[in-house]
Amino acid sequence: EIVLTQSPGTLSLSPGERATLSCRASQSVSSSYLAWYQQKPGQAPRLLIYGASSRATGIPDRFSGSGSGTDFTLTISRLEPEDFAVYYCQQYGSSPLYSFGQGTKLEIK
Amino acid sequence: QVQLVESGGGLVKPGGSLRLSCAASGFTFSDYYMSWIRQAPGKGLEWVSYISSSGSTIYYADSVKGRFTISRDNAKNSLYLQMNSLRAEDTAVYYCARDLCSSTSCHPRAFDIWGQGTMVTVSS
Repeated sequence: EIVLTQSPGTLSLSPGERATLSCRASQSVSSSYLAWYQQKPGQAPRLLIYGASSRATGIPDRFSGSGSGTDFTLTISRLEPEDFAVYYCQQYGSSPLYSFGQGTKLEIK
Repeated sequence: QVQLVESGGGLVKPGGSLRLSCAASGFTFSDYYMSWIRQAPGKGLEWVSYISSSGSTIYYADSVKGRFTISRDNAKNSLYLQMNSLRAEDTAVYYCARDLCSSTSCHPRAFDIWGQGTMVTVSS
């Protein structure tokens, strides 16, 4: 079973700053099968990044994804007020078929 | 526009049953793999079940195997989740989600369209 561990649990930053979120897998994950989501309170998750580094439709270019193997990163280059939310990484391919990290809460400092 | 709308949630007693529905619109439903994903109050996301575009391939999380049944009706553009023997730990918002995997390509994999969710509460 692949376990995804996200760090930090909470990240406190100010608008305009750069955010770096980490997702570490307990076993190697194919880059094609690593995705990132944003979720705001009371809303469904929104796909940000798929295939580890491809932005989903309509996602601003301040969001970028990188990494391979067991270490993946979501970077937000300059935080906008609307970026403060919870972020999840997700993998496909190993039991369970899909799994999510526990989430990183990005809060305003 | 591309949309998924869930329905069927509610309050049910432990051991009871519930059937969730997800109506799809704005895209060719029969081309896409679909999943149910849930989120317990204040918790993270948990994948529940997946069904291929034709319905021929189905997978479940261990936590629901033998109790939940996923199905789809491509003629009605609808996805379903039959939930039996419900437990308190099944309490969650249930989302249906479209997989990037379609009948033409299954690389990469992610959930690109989500419904707004339907709340299921299991309590006596």
